[in-house]
Amino acid sequence: GAGVSQSPSNKVTEKGKDVELRCDPISGHTALYWYRQSLGQGLEFLIYFQGNSAPDKSGLPSDRFSAERTGGSVSTLTIQRTQQEDSAVYLCASSRDPQLNYEQYFGPGTRLTVT
Amino acid sequence: EDQVTQSPEALRLQEGESSSLNCSYTVSGLRGLFWYRQDPGKGPEFLFTLYSAGEEKEKERLKATLTKKESFLHITAPKPEDSATYLCAVRGYGGATNKLIFGTGTLLAVQP
Repeated sequence: GAGVSQSPSNKVTEKGKDVELRCDPISGHTALYWYRQSLGQGLEFLIYFQGNSAPDKSGLPSDRFSAERTGGSVSTLTIQRTQQEDSAVYLCASSRDPQLNYEQYFGPGTRLTVT
Repeated sequence: EDQVTQSPEALRLQEGESSSLNCSYTVSGLRGLFWYRQDPGKGPEFLFTLYSAGEEKEKERLKATLTKKESFLHITAPKPEDSATYLCAVRGYGGATNKLIFGTGTLLAVQP
């Protein structure tokens, strides 16, 4: 079946502009996660959705970052007033019921470059 | 604080030369340890989940093992197509989150 999809695959934006990144999880997966991968660093957790609610937003680095999920499916990560340090690959993952410890499946990522 | 350390950072092998990658972890109660493979420009690809010490899982030339403090990914007779970054991650019981804590990975290069 179809895997996790993300769009756009690449985004170049000017410092100070807002950007929206989209994630389509695997059909039927109730849990959705956003991570960030910076050059030379490990994947860094941003936010976790169970259905449309976000029980854990602890990884969002500042109030410029926000995310929402609608219909228990598509999620959008929004970065306002982008800064150069926001440049990274943003990865989305989804899983079946996380209480049963199912593995997370990742999308291809969105490479964000802030100039 | 949950933490994952992977070693070595990079490993170069000749085709057919077996070796092991290490993942050391500290976590407040282990719910699961996960191995992923990541190719350049792509998202991580799931390989294995290990839940308890002593558990082992195999897939083709890869075998993952788990102790109470570390996990090993053994690569037997590797081929050039095994070249990738291998990531280790843990999920603990702390808090309401189901997030994964990742190590920084081991970059494996297998030369023909």
